[in-house]
Amino acid sequence: DAGVIQSPRHEVTEMGQEVTLRCKPISGHDYLFWYRQTMMRGLELLIYFNNNVPIDDSGMPEDRFSAKMPNASFSTLKIQPSEPRDSAVYFCASSSRDTYNEQFFGPGTRLTVL
Amino acid sequence: AQSVTQLDSQVPVFEEAPVELRCNYSSSVSVYLFWYVQYPNQGLQLLLKYLSGSTLVKGINGFEAEFNKSQTSFHLRKPSVHISDTAEYFCAVRINAGGTSYGKLTFGQGTILTVHP
Repeated sequence: DAGVIQSPRHEVTEMGQEVTLRCKPISGHDYLFWYRQTMMRGLELLIYFNNNVPIDDSGMPEDRFSAKMPNASFSTLKIQPSEPRDSAVYFCASSSRDTYNEQFFGPGTRLTVL
Repeated sequence: AQSVTQLDSQVPVFEEAPVELRCNYSSSVSVYLFWYVQYPNQGLQLLLKYLSGSTLVKGINGFEAEFNKSQTSFHLRKPSVHISDTAEYFCAVRINAGGTSYGKLTFGQGTILTVHP
C-alpha cells in the first residue's frame, strides 16, 4: 500500500497567487481530512469529507480557502489568493470507519508564501 | 464537545531514562484514544491506540499507554528512551457519537520529547 500521497511536497509562491494542494487517500478509505500545522497554532483541522461529501468545514479560515473531493481517490485544497500568513505545512489524512477511524497521514506539503 | 490536554509542551530527558508524556481528555460519551508521533519533517504516524478491553496498550518502538477512565487520562510511557525517540508526540481522541463529530479526531497541542545523550 502506497499510503496517503500528497503533492507537491514543497511549494513556494508569491502573495496573491493561487495555490493548489493535492491528495490521494488510501484506497478503500471513506474519510479524508485536511490539516494545517504551524508553530503558533499547532495542528488544525480545516475540513473533512465522508464518502466525498464535506462534513465539517468549520476550520477553514476564510473564503480564500476551498476544498473539493470529486471522487474517492482525489482531493484538492485551494488557496486563492494566497497570503504570507498561509505559510504552513498542510497535511492530508485518510481513515476508514471499519478500522475505528485511525487516521493515516501523508508526508505533508510545506507551503511558503512570499 | 470533547477536548484533549497535553500537560507538558516540552519534556527533556537523558538517554536510557524512563519517560511519561501526560494526556487528559474530556468527553461526555465514550471515546477511542490514540497517540501519534511526528519525527522532524514528516507526517504523523500512529504509535498506539485504545479501543476497548485491556486498559494497558502496547505500541511500536517500546511505547505503552494506560487508559484510566476515572481520571480521564491516557498517559504514554517508555521505560528506557533512545536518541531516536526525539520527536513530537500527539494525543488524540475520537468520540463514539454521530453527527459532524463522527470520524473526527481531536488532537492535543503536542509534547516535544528531546532525548539527550
